[in-house]
Amino acid sequence: DIQMTQSPSSVSASVGDRVTITCRASQDISNWSAWFQQKAGKAPKLLIYAASSLESGIPSRFSGNGSGTEFTLTINSLQPEDFATYYCQQGNTFPLTFGGGTKVEIK
Amino acid sequence: EVHLVQSGAEVKKPGESLKISCKVSGYTFTTYSIAWVRQIPGKGLECLGIIYPGDSEARYSPSSQGQVTISADTSSSTAFLHWSSLKASDTALYYCARVALRGSSSWFPPDYWGQGTLVTVSS
Repeated sequence: DIQMTQSPSSVSASVGDRVTITCRASQDISNWSAWFQQKAGKAPKLLIYAASSLESGIPSRFSGNGSGTEFTLTINSLQPEDFATYYCQQGNTFPLTFGGGTKVEIK
Repeated sequence: EVHLVQSGAEVKKPGESLKISCKVSGYTFTTYSIAWVRQIPGKGLECLGIIYPGDSEARYSPSSQGQVTISADTSSSTAFLHWSSLKASDTALYYCARVALRGSSSWFPPDYWGQGTLVTVSS
């Protein structure tokens, strides 16, 4: 299985801050990464696919970048509704695998 | 509008069998695959396997192979996850999600998810 290693595991930030989360794949996955947001008691929500494509309906303050083995999710101007856990995911090879998650908390 | 609606929470004893369901609407069931994803409370996400209802071909992650069975009923647009003998370690929240194959071996990420089914296995 391809391992997806996320960092940091948690981050404390304030409304208006910029937050960047990193994900490293254990092997080259081209641009087949995605990012999800999950709030307590809810299913994950797709934010970014193909490394940098914004899913329909997702605010433009979310952006993704990277290719190969290194990927980033950036949230510009953090909003109150953005406090959640974020997961990266690879779809290059079955089985689909996810990173361990990054919890974005209020400072 | 696409919806995936899962069956309700279950409480079972070790050794019992269980089948949970995921009924889809809003798209043609046989044109997308369904993934089953496990989440232990407070932990991360793990894909157990994927089924393509168009031909009922299911593939399993190495950790779930032999532990669960994934199936689909095209007449009711429903996918299933089945255990023949539950263990305490199967206690988790299980999601179904719609996925699409890209090319021969890559996958678009899950774009629509069910609400989750909590399975509790305890003696």
